[in-house]
Amino acid sequence: AQSVSQHNHHVILSEAASLELGCNYSYGGTVNLFWYVQYPGQHLQLLLKYFSGDPLVKGIKGFEAEFIKSKFSFNLRKPSVQWSDTAEYFCAVRGAGSYQLTFGKGTKLSVIP
Amino acid sequence: GAGVSQTPSNKVTEKGKYVELRCDPISGHTALYWYRQSLGQGPEFLIYFQGTGAADDSGLPNDRFFAVRPEGSVSTLKIQRTERGDSAVYLCASSLPGTVDNEQFFGPGTRLTVL
Repeated sequence: AQSVSQHNHHVILSEAASLELGCNYSYGGTVNLFWYVQYPGQHLQLLLKYFSGDPLVKGIKGFEAEFIKSKFSFNLRKPSVQWSDTAEYFCAVRGAGSYQLTFGKGTKLSVIP
Repeated sequence: GAGVSQTPSNKVTEKGKYVELRCDPISGHTALYWYRQSLGQGPEFLIYFQGTGAADDSGLPNDRFFAVRPEGSVSTLKIQRTERGDSAVYLCASSLPGTVDNEQFFGPGTRLTVL
């Protein structure tokens, strides 16, 4: 069975600090990888996704993530966070050819102005 | 355009009661998914519909849970004999037909509380 591990439960940063949220997955095959974001009071939105090709993917709002196959990782990064990035971030994996998304437990990010 | 909508937004019920949760997908999205998000957890897959049929119901926890989508659009998740452990946010998502590479768009969820 596939699983996703997000290393940090709650991250607190000051504005302009750099962000890296860890995500490791367990799956015995080709995967599609996703980061979703949930802003306070809003529904889950897709931040970025990786299916194939360039392992460095860029998403909305200046976020990017790097797929490192040898480490089973898909860490999310942003060079300079803003207060508006305060949200909960979920990493998810899907086996290629499958419809089920398997999510991690999420990381809550609080950005202090 | 309108996103995925779910009703009600909140549902409080008593242990043992029956509940129905409704999902209205984005127009034209033939794929529909239900997930359950318990407190402190990420969403967990319950069931996937392609059109009217349940293509994958492997995530339903037991036979108290059932979902239908009779006309290939609106879906209803039904929970019989609710238990306190069923308390969670139930999320619905929809996507375009075709390949599995299509993005899943999520609704706001229904928060179910079983007293």
